[in-house]
Amino acid sequence: NAGVMQNPRHLVRRRGQEARLRCSPMKGHSHVYWYRQLPEEGLKFMVYLQKENIIDESGMPKERFSAEFPKEGPSILRIQQVVRGDSAAYFCASSSQGTIQPQHFGDGTRLSIL
Amino acid sequence: EDKVVQSPLSLVVHEGDTVTLNCSYEVTNFRSLLWYKQEKKAPTFLFMLTSSGIEKKSGRLSSILDKKELFSILNITATQTGDSAVYLCAVGPSEGGATNKLIFGTGTLLAVQP
Repeated sequence: NAGVMQNPRHLVRRRGQEARLRCSPMKGHSHVYWYRQLPEEGLKFMVYLQKENIIDESGMPKERFSAEFPKEGPSILRIQQVVRGDSAAYFCASSSQGTIQPQHFGDGTRLSIL
Repeated sequence: EDKVVQSPLSLVVHEGDTVTLNCSYEVTNFRSLLWYKQEKKAPTFLFMLTSSGIEKKSGRLSSILDKKELFSILNITATQTGDSAVYLCAVGPSEGGATNKLIFGTGTLLAVQP
């Protein structure tokens, strides 16, 4: 499967725990994006990364959320001390290098906070 | 504030009908407009438009952009039950060229009845 791979597909955490969401971009893609989709709402941009660099984190909450895209391995979205309001679908997208390239999405991780 | 507005919010048609979905936008320094189809999982890329008046076509789907009036339409002819999905419109602003983030509308839910 050459598409964007996200895991896990479903993640259940208790309040106060940490959640780690992983994303492997499409083959040949070097740009990764994270979006959050709350129930009844549209996709909201969170962060845009290239290898070892955060390019735009204007959509990330100031606390508890962080993202990385290391030189080797998948991109990680990390949520510390989760709260009920973090329950959502988190989608990762990737694109190839270039000024205007379409973003292709993974199947998402459904995060549920008990 | 940058925003994307889609209409109608939902639509029910019968197989064989033609539908037109609308997307209007207000963004600073427009770069591109994209259409996606979202069923249960990942938004699937349909079209990316950057220039006015040039129709993009793929089978029964087509789309066009009007950068003067700030809107785009997505047409689906001879609809089939497999076209039932949420159709998402997204706009990529060009904020000094540094970011590739997308701003999404809330989508149009299309239901095609047999």
